[in-house]
This record gives sequence, structure tokens and C-alpha cells, in this order.
Amino acid sequence: DTEVTQTPKHLVMGMTNKKSLKCEQHMGHRAMYWYKQKAKKPPELMFVYSYEKLSINESVPSRFSPECPNSSLLNLHLHALQPEDSALYLCASSQEAGGITGELFFGEGSRLTVL
Amino acid sequence: GQNIDQPTEMTATEGAIVQINCTYQTSGFNGLFWYQQHAGEAPTFLSYNVLDGLEEKGRFSSFLSRSKGYSYLLLKELQMKDSASYLCAVPKAAGNKLTFGGGTRVLVKP
Repeated sequence: DTEVTQTPKHLVMGMTNKKSLKCEQHMGHRAMYWYKQKAKKPPELMFVYSYEKLSINESVPSRFSPECPNSSLLNLHLHALQPEDSALYLCASSQEAGGITGELFFGEGSRLTVL
Repeated sequence: GQNIDQPTEMTATEGAIVQINCTYQTSGFNGLFWYQQHAGEAPTFLSYNVLDGLEEKGRFSSFLSRSKGYSYLLLKELQMKDSASYLCAVPKAAGNKLTFGGGTRVLVKP
């Protein structure tokens, strides 16, 4: 199993809603990532979890709250988002947690629209 | 910090060769990745170079020169399905921070 699975694929939410994006991998990878990607732009790193602990937060607003319940799961909780937060949210995983020496495996992404 | 530059767009003809250049500046080098991303899809891994030289993988090859802070991705025998964005990415020496360049959109025409 070399897949990273993300749900939902599409999400539309209002600015007062609370929703969550979910990501799952069963490759035994020790690092998991959230990236945000706007149209025609490269992915931008948001958070990194290494061994289920938050190791990198790229100064992401607190309306985005990551959670890593176990080594296979990664969530992104969303609350009070703004329309400019509309984007494709990509989850990824990599085998190593101490540094990237191998490829990142990306999920298909969750396309978020904030109204 | 890290600075990664690559051209924004390139157009080529089916069956031709295209070379996508990437220059980077990074404090500490831990390899360089190339990813392919079709519109609306997730990035997929193409190559990882950590030593100088050319690595060939089928129609795609990747070259690295660490002293020049330079890499290129060579796409041979272009096919229509190769129309995509190609992302150069460099990890920070310590930690799991992978930074992507702006991406190069390649359009393959018949």
C-alpha cells in the first residue's frame, strides 16, 4: 500500500463553520505534512509532524489546527476560515522523520472553498 | 533561507526534448527533488539527486551540479501526457522542510 488517502475530496464551508480534513497512510512513514496550494502556485508547507509530534509550524494562522492522533492519521481542523483560505490542501508523508532523504508521497488533496 | 528559481512556462512539440532548469540557494544541501503535477492532481515524485551528475530514468533524466547550485530535468520524446507542471524542490538540511520552486508549466503541442 503506497497510498496517502485524503477525505473529503471537496469541501465547501461558510466562514462560521467548523470542519476537518483527514489524511491516512499505512506505509509506516514517520513524518506527515500539510501543504496548501493555490491555483498555479507551488505547494506551501504548513505543518510537519515527526513521530506524531508537531515539528514545524510555518506561522500558520490559528484558525488552522493540526492534529496527529496516531502514526497513520493526520487531521487539519478548520474554524472561522476566510475566503482567501480557499485552496487545495495536500497531505503528504515520508519515511524519515529526522530529515528528508526520500520522496514525499502526496494524497490527492482536499479542495476547499470558503464562502 | 532557501531560494529556488525555475522558468514559469515552456512550450514544446510532441516528440521533442525539453530541458527545465532550476537554480537554488540553500544553507546546507540535502539533495534536490523533481516532482510532476498535472492540473488538479497531487504532485508525483520523479527524481532525487544528491550527488553531482546525470541520473536517467526512462524518458526523464535529472542532472545536478552542487557547486553551481543548478539542476535540470530533461524530458525526451515528449508526449501529450507530459503537459504538466514540474516542480523543483530542495529540503532544508535539518528537519523535514521541503520547499518547492514556483514550478514550470510545460505545454506539449501536437
